[in-house]
Amino acid sequence: EAGVTQFPSHSVIEKGQTVTLRCDPISGHDNLYWYRRVMGKEIKFLLHFVKESKQDESGMPNNRFLAERTGGTYSTLKVQPAELEDSGVYFCASAKAQNSYEQYFGPGTRLTVT
Amino acid sequence: DAKTTQPPSMDCAEGRAANLPCNHSTISGNEYVYWYRQIHSQGPQYIIHGLKNNETNEMASLIITEDRKSSTLILPHATLRDTAVYYCIVRVAWADDMRFGAGTRLTVKP
Repeated sequence: EAGVTQFPSHSVIEKGQTVTLRCDPISGHDNLYWYRRVMGKEIKFLLHFVKESKQDESGMPNNRFLAERTGGTYSTLKVQPAELEDSGVYFCASAKAQNSYEQYFGPGTRLTVT
Repeated sequence: DAKTTQPPSMDCAEGRAANLPCNHSTISGNEYVYWYRQIHSQGPQYIIHGLKNNETNEMASLIITEDRKSSTLILPHATLRDTAVYYCIVRVAWADDMRFGAGTRLTVKP
C-alpha cells in the first residue's frame, strides 16, 4: 500500500511568487491534514479536511494560504504571494477516521522563499 | 490540550534500552498519550499511544504512571536507526490535530 506522497519534494521561489504544494493521501483515508515547520519552530497544524470539507482551518496563518481538496482525494496548498517567513517544511498527513490514533505523514515539501 | 515537558536531548548506547520521559501533569481524564518520532528528513511517524494502561507493540513500550501525570517511552534495544526527535503528545481522541512540542532529540551511539 502506497503511503502519503507529496510533490514537489523541494521548491525554491522568489518572494511574491506563487507556489502550489500537492498531497496524495493513502487511498481510502477521508481525513487529510496539513502541518508545517518554519525555521527553528515546532511543527504546527494548519488545517484538517474530512473528505472535501474543511473541518478545522484554525491553524492557517493568513489569507495568503489556500487549501483545497476537490473530490475528496488529493489536496493542494497554495501560497500566494509567498513571503520569506513562509520558508519551511510542509507536511501532509492522512487518517482513516478522525479519531484514528495514527496519522500517516508524508515526507514533506521543503519550501524556500528567497 | 494538556502541555507536555520533555528533555531536549538524550544519548543512548546502541543495543541498550532508551527510556524517554515525558511530563504531562495537567492531563485530563479523556486525553491519550501519543508518541511520534521524526527521523531526519522524513515525516513524523507514529510509535505508540495509551490512555492509562501500559502498552507494548513491535516498536516500543509505553509506561504511564498511575496518576497519569507522566509517562516513559521505552525502546528496548536501541539501534542507530532510532536516532530521531521523539515527541510526546497529549490529546483527546477526536481532536483535529497532533500538537507537536519541541520533543527529545535521541542520539543512539555505537
